[in-house]
Amino acid sequence: DAKTTQPNSMESNEEEPVHLPCNHSTISGTDYIHWYRQLPSQGPEYVIHGLTSNVNNRMASLAIAEDRKSSTLILHRATLRDAAVYYCILYGGSQGNLIFGKGTKLSVKP
Amino acid sequence: GAVVSQHPSRVICKSGTSVKIECRSLDFQATTMFWYRQFPKQSLMLMATSNEGSKATYEQGVEKDKFLINHASLTLSTLTVTSAHPEDSSFYICSAGGQGGETQYFGPGTRLLVL
Repeated sequence: DAKTTQPNSMESNEEEPVHLPCNHSTISGTDYIHWYRQLPSQGPEYVIHGLTSNVNNRMASLAIAEDRKSSTLILHRATLRDAAVYYCILYGGSQGNLIFGKGTKLSVKP
Repeated sequence: GAVVSQHPSRVICKSGTSVKIECRSLDFQATTMFWYRQFPKQSLMLMATSNEGSKATYEQGVEKDKFLINHASLTLSTLTVTSAHPEDSSFYICSAGGQGGETQYFGPGTRLLVL
């Protein structure tokens, strides 16, 4: 399975943008790039996903490099409720389950 | 988005007893559901794939006779931890959803504490 590399932790100030990077140099052509986040003591929550083009939704934006070997999750204005572990996961083809790495623990300071 | 529920949200039991955890897809049908386990400060690890109407597929190292999975309908999968021991204490999470790159929806998790 293709793997991803993320920083262990990041810090942000409230109401500032946050850019969470993810490297996935061995991505295959059928792999979608998914982002989930997990708040303390909760199940993971879907954030956004994309294949080749940049994507926007009400939660975040996903910027995908032209060669698809890296991507960046963008939270436009971090809030205290955005403090969570963010997982970047490659998912596609005939694969059923998601494979979780260690993710990035985002701390948001007031 | 779609909703997946789990029951109970937390359970405390004595060592040697069995505990059943339910996972329900509330507004969609799921032929496949996944069961994960998460120990403190660690990531989610897949335990097994639950298939409606057929046997579950277990990951290497997960005892199928200890973690019984039943997926009797398109909206319900159950995980029974048999003869639970303190080392089974963990956060158990189920998910359901599309394959082939589509979104997975996760339950809120069940915190199991075995005394």
